[in-house]
Order: sequence, then structure tokens, then C-alpha cells
Amino acid sequence: DAKTTQPPSMDCAEGRAANLPCNHSTISGNEYVYWYRQIHSQGPQYIIHGLKNNETNEMASLIITEDRKSSTLILPHATLRDTAVYYCIEPTGNQFYFGTGTSLTVIP
Amino acid sequence: DAGITQSPRHKVTETGTPVTLRCHQTENHRYMYWYRQDPGHGLRLIHYSYGVKDTDKGEVSDGYSVSRSKTEDFLLTLESATSSQTSVYFCAISSAAEAFFGQGTRLTVV
Repeated sequence: DAKTTQPPSMDCAEGRAANLPCNHSTISGNEYVYWYRQIHSQGPQYIIHGLKNNETNEMASLIITEDRKSSTLILPHATLRDTAVYYCIEPTGNQFYFGTGTSLTVIP
Repeated sequence: DAGITQSPRHKVTETGTPVTLRCHQTENHRYMYWYRQDPGHGLRLIHYSYGVKDTDKGEVSDGYSVSRSKTEDFLLTLESATSSQTSVYFCAISSAAEAFFGQGTRLTVV
């Protein structure tokens, strides 16, 4: 079962930063946090992952709290194409369990 | 997409018939997964494999079996399809880091 908690939905104005929170309070010391998104009915797309340091790539930034119990995915300049369901995942071993994620709607 | 192909992409079958979905990868990744996705449930793990002939159950494995006789192929079989198995099925591959997903197979059991 998914071990993370996310808000079911969020809105963001186009061009603004989208900040998507995730709670993973039971995370163990050596487990990474992964973020994926799913646009419409396509297969999920990998975004970013991290252990305890903040991470940034061409798609997003990931901020992980010092106690590692929560994280925030940041899309710095949201576009309409970022409208999707975003999943925060804490793998169990090599098993990826998805919850219901956060449905992000970017508003023009 | 990351060298992963699912077949067929769409299938309609009758209740009680056997169905096999195929996932093929060209990345030589060790781990392969089968998920189903239904409205309101996100993706749920059915079975996964951590090597040739090494498989294990996920959270919704009842009614499904899998086989992995080669690194590149992971087969999902519904021995006797039921209407509750109407769903979109996704395959994923991983090398113990991030997982990459196929485009999905839409299965309708009538």
C-alpha cells in the first residue's frame, strides 16, 4: 500500500510556481522519495527523486525537510501542459506503490 | 518510451476467456512490474519481477498470474477474465532506481 499522503487536488495560475506537498512520515533512513506525474491516460512519467538533499533537474525541484517526513515538488513556472496527476512515492524495497496523487490544474 | 512496449494496446474479450498481455523491454533492466489503473484508485501493483523466473505478488494479485522466462519479456495472464478486470494495465521497468512506464493496455471484459 502507498505510504504517502497528498492533497487530492490543487490549482495553479499559469506562469506561477506550483508547490505540491507530500507527507511521508514513516520513511526509513535509506529510502528515496520519488515523484511521477500522469498526463491524461498516458503512462506515468518520472520527474525527480531524492534522499535528503534538495534536488533540481530540468523539470522540477524537490525540497525535502530535514527530518525527511515531508517533501515539496516545485514546478517553477507552471504551464498548461503541466496539468496532470502528480504522485509522491516512497518505494518499499524495489516496489513502487502509488496512491491517488494530487490532481494539479494549471489555470490560464 | 524508454524501450518498453506493451501489446496489445487495446483488447476486448469475453468473460471466462484467457487473456495474456505482454510487456517487452530493450533496456535489460532487472525489475519489471504490472499495474492496473481504475478510476478513483490510482495505479495498483499486481505482480512484479526481480529477475528471470523470479516473481512476486503485489497488492491486487488475485485472478492474475505472471511469467518471466526472458529478461526482456514479462507476461501477465488472466486465466479466466471477469468484468472486474476491465481496466487499463501498465507495465514498468526499473534498474533499481527510477521506473519507466509503458503506454498502457486498455482491456475490456464483456
